Amino acid sequence: QKEVEQDPGPLSVPEGAIVSLNCTYSNSAFQYFMWYRQYSRKGPELLMYTYSSGNKEDGRFTAQVDKSSKYISLFIRDSQPSDSATYLCAMSVYNQGGKLIFGQGTELSVKP
Amino acid sequence: GAVVSQHPSRVICKSGTSVKIECRSLDFQATTMFWYRQFPKKSLMLMATSNEGSKATYEQGVEKDKFLINHASLTLSTLTVTSAHPEDSSFYICSARDDGGGPINTEAFFGQGTRLTVV
Repeated sequence: QKEVEQDPGPLSVPEGAIVSLNCTYSNSAFQYFMWYRQYSRKGPELLMYTYSSGNKEDGRFTAQVDKSSKYISLFIRDSQPSDSATYLCAMSVYNQGGKLIFGQGTELSVKP
Repeated sequence: GAVVSQHPSRVICKSGTSVKIECRSLDFQATTMFWYRQFPKKSLMLMATSNEGSKATYEQGVEKDKFLINHASLTLSTLTVTSAHPEDSSFYICSARDDGGGPINTEAFFGQGTRLTVV
């Protein structure tokens, strides 16, 4: 079993839709949870991070963590064609700064 | 914002030769850097943790003699793929942890990646 599981998609939605991306994990030692966006042949860029259960909002993005279920989500409201990319969840253990375990990534396409 | 520069962005080499990839933190110091490998439509797989002034820590299954890591300064880590073969073709990405970052583990910034093709 992989430490982090993420549905690879691809996921195709119309512009303006709400997108839900999810990851599950098995390692209860994970304490930091991140979402990265990666455009083709580029390095990942950090979108959101959180370290506690609950919701965190940043503009059109909401990150949700449920530690009891070992489940995290990223919601994108009013999706735009420019949101088309691969979204990767990543996690790390406390005090292993920067060492990230990634999910497989979900390829998202937002159609105009 | 913090910038990590990775060079080259793309390289093609002949089988049996060695290739060096550089990862530089441009505006911050990074005692720790990380090297990842990514196959098409796949996740980033951590290969090794690079520590300035000491030996790198490799993940299970990663050949130390194949992937040589040197972290000679607080702003530069290099990954050398030795005696490259076609199966080493991949997208290699580094990240650097900002020494001045807070306790939260998000202070790691990614380079642009290097696409290696071994022919």
